[in-house]
Formats: sequence, C-alpha cells, structure tokens
Amino acid sequence: EPEVTQTPSHQVTQMGQEVILRCVPISNHLYFYWYRQILGQKVEFLVSFYNNEISEKSEIFDDQFSVERPDGSNFTLKIRSTKLEDSAMYFCASSGGGTGTKEEKLFFGSGTQLSVL
Amino acid sequence: DAKTTQPPSMDCAEGRAANLPCNHSTISGNEYVYWYRQIHSQGPQYIIHGLKNNETNEMASLIITEDRKSSTLILPHATLRDTAVYYCILGYPTGNQFYFGTGTSLTVIP
Repeated sequence: EPEVTQTPSHQVTQMGQEVILRCVPISNHLYFYWYRQILGQKVEFLVSFYNNEISEKSEIFDDQFSVERPDGSNFTLKIRSTKLEDSAMYFCASSGGGTGTKEEKLFFGSGTQLSVL
Repeated sequence: DAKTTQPPSMDCAEGRAANLPCNHSTISGNEYVYWYRQIHSQGPQYIIHGLKNNETNEMASLIITEDRKSSTLILPHATLRDTAVYYCILGYPTGNQFYFGTGTSLTVIP
C-alpha cells in the first residue's frame, strides 16, 4: 500500500532555532496536511494545502509556521523560531485526486517527534 | 472542532467483538463518518468510512443508524494488537481536513 513518508523521525533543536520537517506525500495526491500531537493530548489540525497554497489553517498555525511544496514531491513544515511549547509529534497527511469519490481518505505518515530544548 | 462524542475508554476480551459507539447528532447531509485509530504515538491509521449504508472491510464493520446521528465500529474478533485509541470523525471525501476528538481508548484484555 502507498504510504506517506516523514523525515526525520526525531528532531532535537534549541529554542529559537529554525526547523524544517519534511514529508513525501503519496505521489498522485493533491491535498496535503500537517497535524501535531502534544504528548498526552489529541491530534490537532495545523494546516491544509492544495494547488500550491494554503486552503485552511488553524489558530495554532501562526506567523512562526510556514509550509511549502518546493519540488512537486516534498511537502515541508517550517517553524522559524521554535519555542518550548512546539515540542510535539508532527504528522503529515495527504489525500487523493479530488475526484470526490467515496474512496478518498487521509493517509498519515508515522510522524516526526520534535523536541525543543 | 470535533463534532462527535465517544466514550473515553472501553475494554474488550481478546477474541470477542469490540463495539465502539459514536454520537454525531449534528451530522450534515453529505458528511461521511470516518474511523481512524492510533496505536501508541504512531500516525493515525484509517479503518473504514461510510455515508449512510453499513460498510465492511477486512478490518472492521461500520453500522450507521438510519437517522445518521450515531454509528458503531465493530472489530469482529479483537486481538491484543487492536489496543489503540479509536477516533470517530466527520468529514467530506474531497480535500477535507479532519478534526480529531479525544477518541475511545480501547484495551483488549487477554
């Protein structure tokens, strides 16, 4: 079965540093997402991306965050100046070809654990 | 925000059917009911989804009430590996972000 790939699996950074989390969505998918999960809490939506622009974002996704699809295969989440509270598991997801069929669903990657020290 | 209500936790004996309920009384006409699960801190895993008819696949069955205000996920023969948090989510099949609630933590007991 096709899968969403995320790298790295763990990232440790110092507070104030920039980090980029990388994702390779499923190749024919058109919609891309980032979610995060703080330890012990629920999975939270951050942002959705379609046709090279943000289609929706949550209150969490402030000016410190940005997303990009730089080369048609990767989908990245950048945090400009990390804070302690950004420590979380970050999940990338993608979904299908926009056909609106019953078969469409979100496929999630295995996540990047970000630790801000 | 999540528009579903699920019990916070359930237990099930290994080999028995696990029936996980979900209330979604404000579901709109074209919203699907999706079920995902999360094992430890792994990425959420798709299980099944449906609009109004009951659905079955190799993992589970989904029973949706006629008024669509509630549904039940059935794992027919639960195994220890089915221990996970199960999420019931409402969404549309095209380009729709999902909002996760707190889900049901299912523990399968030997």
